[in-house]
Formats: sequence, C-alpha cells, structure tokens
Amino acid sequence: GAGVSQTPSNKVTEKGKYVELRCDPISGHTALYWYRQSLGQGPEFLIYFQGTGAADDSGLPNDRFFAVRPEGSVSTLKIQRTERGDSAVYLCASSSSSTETQYFGPGTRLLVL
Amino acid sequence: GQSLEQPSEVTAVEGAIVQINCTYQTSGFYGLSWYQQHDGGAPTFLSYNALDGLEETGRFSSFLSRSDSYGYLLLQELQMKDSASYFCAVRGGSGNTPLVFGKGTRLSVIA
Repeated sequence: GAGVSQTPSNKVTEKGKYVELRCDPISGHTALYWYRQSLGQGPEFLIYFQGTGAADDSGLPNDRFFAVRPEGSVSTLKIQRTERGDSAVYLCASSSSSTETQYFGPGTRLLVL
Repeated sequence: GQSLEQPSEVTAVEGAIVQINCTYQTSGFYGLSWYQQHDGGAPTFLSYNALDGLEETGRFSSFLSRSDSYGYLLLQELQMKDSASYFCAVRGGSGNTPLVFGKGTRLSVIA
C-alpha cells in the first residue's frame, strides 16, 4: 500500500512569502503529525491531529504557522511571512490508533532566501 | 518537559556489534522508540520498548531500564547499509501523542 506522501518535495521561496506544504497520510490513519527537522537535529514536533481536530499545537513556533486537516485525511501546513529561519525539512507522519509506530513521509525541504 | 541524550557520532567496523545509548528525562513516560534515518530520507521505525528488558528484531535489539531512565539500541553483524542516523524518542503522553526525539547518533560503518 501507499505510504505517507508529501508535496512539494522541495520548495524555494523568498522571505516574506506564503507557503503551503501538503501531507497525504496512510489511508485510515486517524493521527497525523507535523515535525520540523533542521540539519543535524532530530525532528521537532509542531502539531498533531486526531481526526479533523488539532489535538496539540503546542509545537507551532508562532502565529505565522497554521495547519488544517478539514476532512480528517490530507493536511496542509501553512506558513505566512516566511523567514530565513523557517528553512528546514518539514516532515509529516501518520499512525493508527492501534500501533505505536509513526510512519513518516519523505519530507518537504523548504528554503527561504 | 522531556529531554534525551545520545552520542552524536559512532564509528564501527563492518560485521561488528555497536550499541547506541540513550538517557532521558521526562515528566511522564510512555515508552522509548528508535528510528533510523538515512541521509535525505524519512525516519523509519525500528523498535519500541514500553517495559523493561530486551526486544529483539532480527539484527537489531533494543533495551529499556525505566528505573535508570536509560535505553540502548544494539546493532549486530553491521553492514555498510546500516550507516545512518539513529534517533531515540519518547512519548509525551498515552495514546497517539507526539514523539520527542533526541538529536540523533550518526553511525558510520567502515570496512
């Protein structure tokens, strides 16, 4: 079966622009997570959805970051007024309620110039 | 909050055994997981320990001691393809709560 997919795989944007990153989780997975990973670091939690609702958004760094999952499947991470410090790999993961395992997508590499 | 400590780099010879340690400090503990990540790739799940003891999956084993807030990943019969970063991670709560990752250990397997 298909794994977690993320688009685009790479995104280059200019400081101040708006970007949207998309995540398509494994079919049937109710939990969806967004993480951010900088070079040489582990993934850092941003936001977690259980179904359509954000169960925990405590990892979002500021109000420029927002994420939605309107139908409980695909999720979009939205970043307004991008800054150079937002450059990182944005990872999405999903899991079912019956397993410990989180399945990660390949990530979107965001570069803010 | 949670914090995890693991060595930044480890080098080992092909065919050998290597152990990657992880110590953690958490406000609550719901199990220790290990993930592997090759350069440019996605983290992939290796193992999970909720209770004390050793879990074995093929060439990989993982150990947990909750009283010592300590775990390790053991890789046996190392292969060149095992060169990757390895992350330990803990849950912040029960159920599908998010993971808190360590900074990762970069393993280099040499001939």
